[in-house]
Amino acid sequence: DTGVSQDPRHKITKRGQNVTFRCDPISEHNRLYWYRQTLGQGPEFLTYFQNEAQLEKSRLLSDRFSAERPKGSFSTLEIQRTEQGDSAMYLCATDSLSRREQFFGPGTRLTVL
Amino acid sequence: KQEVTQIPAALSVPEGENLVLNCSFTDSAIYNLQWFRQDPGKGLTSLLLIQSSQREQTSGRLNASLDKSSGRSTLYIAASQPGDSATYLCATSQGGSEKLVFGKGTKLTVNP
Repeated sequence: DTGVSQDPRHKITKRGQNVTFRCDPISEHNRLYWYRQTLGQGPEFLTYFQNEAQLEKSRLLSDRFSAERPKGSFSTLEIQRTEQGDSAMYLCATDSLSRREQFFGPGTRLTVL
Repeated sequence: KQEVTQIPAALSVPEGENLVLNCSFTDSAIYNLQWFRQDPGKGLTSLLLIQSSQREQTSGRLNASLDKSSGRSTLYIAASQPGDSATYLCATSQGGSEKLVFGKGTKLTVNP
């Protein structure tokens, strides 16, 4: 257990539905990242927050995706109008500016039917 | 654009063997390099972090080296055990971007 928690661990949804995932970071870490991983691939970066500010977004983050970190603590990732291609493991990671060692949560496995 | 490559994609060894996993990257202007372990269906566990100014890091039976000029890192596992079976991923971060860029990983199987 790294101290990063994610909820839910598994989500099955029908195409076209909206889904929201939550990440709770290690308390002393002010930086938070979202990645997406498909089978047989390494994780791909989606977006990054420092405190509540979203500082970097990947081109992978289409307009159907939105992420927030309202109080600089937990973060949510929402996918609107899900598509079958959104099926993947969504991973959250956190670190501190001083060390920059990223610690990952257990992930949320999304299946879009 | 940074590209990270890991060779081999899969490796099967008998228990007790020492082994080396390889990672190469195209842009040597990295901030640090991290090695992770991933068990099936699970998140990533950080194994070792090497800052760009360092040449190697050790933790228990694991030793990771970094050669920025050649764009390479190796992860050495001594006296492998069946519990070491997992996928090992390396990732780099660079100045100007905080994201990690990952390789596809090496799937290691240690046979009893």
